[in-house]
Amino acid sequence: LAKTTQPISMDSYEGQEVNITCSHNNIATNDYITWYQQFPSQGPRFIIQGYKTKVTNEVASLFIPADRKSSTLSLPRVSLSDTAVYYCLVGDGSRGSGYALNFGKGTSLLVTP
Amino acid sequence: GAGVSQTPSNKVTEKGKYVELRCDPISGHTALYWYRQSLGQGPEFLIYFQGTGAADDSGLPNDRFFAVRPEGSVSTLKIQRTERGDSAVYLCASSFQRGGNYNEQFFGPGTRLTVL
Repeated sequence: LAKTTQPISMDSYEGQEVNITCSHNNIATNDYITWYQQFPSQGPRFIIQGYKTKVTNEVASLFIPADRKSSTLSLPRVSLSDTAVYYCLVGDGSRGSGYALNFGKGTSLLVTP
Repeated sequence: GAGVSQTPSNKVTEKGKYVELRCDPISGHTALYWYRQSLGQGPEFLIYFQGTGAADDSGLPNDRFFAVRPEGSVSTLKIQRTERGDSAVYLCASSFQRGGNYNEQFFGPGTRLTVL
């Protein structure tokens, strides 16, 4: 599994855009980039996934440069409820759903008024 | 629809005791996973089932840990001779075998195990 590196923590004010960058220099051809969100006392929740370029859904955007050695999760206009830990994961998409996820420590995002 | 459920939500036991943690996956999900999460850390993989069989148990820390999924649905994680270091939140997740997003696993709320 490709190793990922992301900031331990980030702070933001409500209403701002937050960008969390993850490095994955050893990403393999079949690897997809996936981000999970975890609130206190809850299990992680899938938020977005991509292979290259840009992916957007109702929660976030994911930007992946051409070399795929990094990715950036973008949260538009964060609110207090976006305070959570965000995990960047890289894994082999060709294997479908059946294998272990390697979470790392994640980025703890604190949003304040 | 119903998500992944785990029981009990909290379990307090004494060192040396045996515990069982239960996971009910989303109906129709063929893959089931167990993870363990210590304070301040991300979830750590323990074991993965595809149907009734354990497809990957490489994350089980030692032979005190065992998991079963006899009918391909509900799973039980069993810990023998518990130690204080086993204290953590035990998370269960399930996923589709095919379709949907790759790497998308649906997690339950976890069981917080405290070994005194």
